[in-house]
Amino acid sequence: GAVVSQHPSRVICKSGTSVKIECRSLDFQATTMFWYRQFPKKSLMLMATSNEGSKATYEQGVEKDKFLINHASLTLSTLTVTSAHPEDSSFYICSVTANTEAFFGQGTRLTVV
Amino acid sequence: GQNIDQPTEMTATEGAIVQINCTYQTSGFNGLFWYQQHAGEAPTFLSYNVLDGLEEKGRFSSFLSRSKGYSYLLLKELQMKDSASYLCAVKDSNYQLIWGAGTKLIIKP
Repeated sequence: GAVVSQHPSRVICKSGTSVKIECRSLDFQATTMFWYRQFPKKSLMLMATSNEGSKATYEQGVEKDKFLINHASLTLSTLTVTSAHPEDSSFYICSVTANTEAFFGQGTRLTVV
Repeated sequence: GQNIDQPTEMTATEGAIVQINCTYQTSGFNGLFWYQQHAGEAPTFLSYNVLDGLEEKGRFSSFLSRSKGYSYLLLKELQMKDSASYLCAVKDSNYQLIWGAGTKLIIKP
């Protein structure tokens, strides 16, 4: 399997500020990483697919200028929520796929006040 | 459109057996997954089915019928720690995971 580390696990920020979330694949070289968002009692929603060395692919309805994704190496992808608003408060999870199985980071609980 | 249906919530008794159903309509099929998710945590992998039939793994079993677009997760000898949400997910023709909303399982002593 793959070990995925996500940081921070919790963050509280003021409205209008930016927050960076890191996702590291510790024992697996991931050319692709996935970023999900999950609202309370809701399903995981794919936001974007992060591609190493190239631009991320965003799902319909996800603003690429608001959710900046950088995948500079085979082990690190970052998601930056820019100019955060209270409606961006959610649980953000990254994942990598190895041998058909998806492995998840611990998730980041973002609260925008 | 693509759709995955599973019950919102189920209640069962410690030591008993519970079956969580999942039906799906997706553009293509490349496998069905079950994940367990405790509140505030990331999902953890439970099972993977790509062929029809039953896959058994300890107390957990998962069944798939591709012709019916149907799967179930069977949990035996329920323990209090099994209280969690159980997510059904299908990989479509683009190998993208389509997620169900999850079934919250409440275990009572």
